[in-house]
Amino acid sequence: EVQLLDSGGRLIQPGESLRLSCAASGVAFVDYAVSWVRQVPGQGLEWVSAVSAARGSGPHTYYADSVKGRFTVSRDDSKNTAYLQMSGLRVGDSALYYCTMGLAFWGRGTLVTVSS
Amino acid sequence: DIQLTQSPSFVSASVGDRVTITCRASQGIRNYLAWYQQRPGLAPSLLIYDASSLHSGVPSRFSGSGFGTEFTLTINSLQPEDFGTYFCQQLNSYPQTFGPGTKVDIK
Repeated sequence: EVQLLDSGGRLIQPGESLRLSCAASGVAFVDYAVSWVRQVPGQGLEWVSAVSAARGSGPHTYYADSVKGRFTVSRDDSKNTAYLQMSGLRVGDSALYYCTMGLAFWGRGTLVTVSS
Repeated sequence: DIQLTQSPSFVSASVGDRVTITCRASQGIRNYLAWYQQRPGLAPSLLIYDASSLHSGVPSRFSGSGFGTEFTLTINSLQPEDFGTYFCQQLNSYPQTFGPGTKVDIK
């Protein structure tokens, strides 16, 4: 059974940094791109970032304009884990953050609350 | 960036009804479109990929069609468990944007 465990979310103050993790099991992690998607409770889905599989010339990273320059996505295939390093956090970054692989596999989400 | 719009934003239908949701892209995305269902408190669940391919385990009452800029998700014979919000996502290019969602309510 494929499981994605996203973690690291918490209450944090504006301007601070936070790292989210996405640990995968039951899947050939190395073959999949990993994406991060966020959702303010009760609202829509916002694609945030992705890191491609490492094979070939990868991994390549991609970002939404809203987080470019502040967030960094990475992966450690030896640990079957992806990361989202978030810096310069803003109140508007508050959301439930999901990691997802291959469209079908989603974590349960980890809540990030940015507030003073 | 590619923008997606969905219509309607809300639909209330009875068990057994056919429901159709439309997703339009601001530019052509070939068939690189996925549909998800999200029930309250849960992560999205994949229904359709490549615009018309049914994900494994998804009931056959769900179907998708379209190419380019206009796509539809059809639910034939709506069931009580089909309530929730439905999102489309384009996978043609980054950022892989989502539509705003269509909330389906069972009368």
